[in-house]
Amino acid sequence: KAGVTQTPRYLIKTRGQQVTLSCSPISGHRSVSWYQQTPGQGLQFLFEYFSETQRNKGNFPGRFSGRQFSNSRSEMNVSTLELGDSALYLCASSLGGSAYEQYFGPGTRLTVT
Amino acid sequence: QQQVKQSPQSLIVQKGGISIINCAYENTAFDYFPWYQQFPGKGPALLIAIRPDVSEKKEGRFTISFNKSAKQFSLHIMDSQPGDSATYFCAASENTGGFKTIFGAGTRLFVKA
Repeated sequence: KAGVTQTPRYLIKTRGQQVTLSCSPISGHRSVSWYQQTPGQGLQFLFEYFSETQRNKGNFPGRFSGRQFSNSRSEMNVSTLELGDSALYLCASSLGGSAYEQYFGPGTRLTVT
Repeated sequence: QQQVKQSPQSLIVQKGGISIINCAYENTAFDYFPWYQQFPGKGPALLIAIRPDVSEKKEGRFTISFNKSAKQFSLHIMDSQPGDSATYFCAASENTGGFKTIFGAGTRLFVKA
């Protein structure tokens, strides 16, 4: 089975712009979670989607949003980018239901200048 | 209450030695405790996980010890190898209608040959 894929792998944006990141989960996985990883704050939970519904959300401003499609693929969007949004954005998929095991993609490295 | 505290921040172990990483949590709603291994430039990879009804789980050279009353759990890497040099994260998950996973700050392990 193919693993979790994320596109693009690297991205450079300017302050004030917006960005959309994409995640394709492992085939059959219906839950997708997004995390932000920075040297200072570590791995922080952004949100989780299951069957196109956001079920849980971390403590991030409304500039961070996401969605999930019927094929379980997910996108996250960050609007009005700030320098502090520079981070590795990781997507993880799991079967959902009572299966907690999460499998991470390689991440998208976002740099905001 | 949502924090997961991980120690030490960094660890140097001789080849063949035992690496021990500790984590503590507060939220008793957590019911799944995974450990992840992350190499530079890669996403975290699930290593081993435990549920709170079990006090110990072993997979190969990796063992999780879990103390529910103390709200602590630890990862033991037996016969540590240079290839184990990576950053290790403990985490705690809860399912309150949707998954939410909180990660520890990470431990950088270096195994000396």
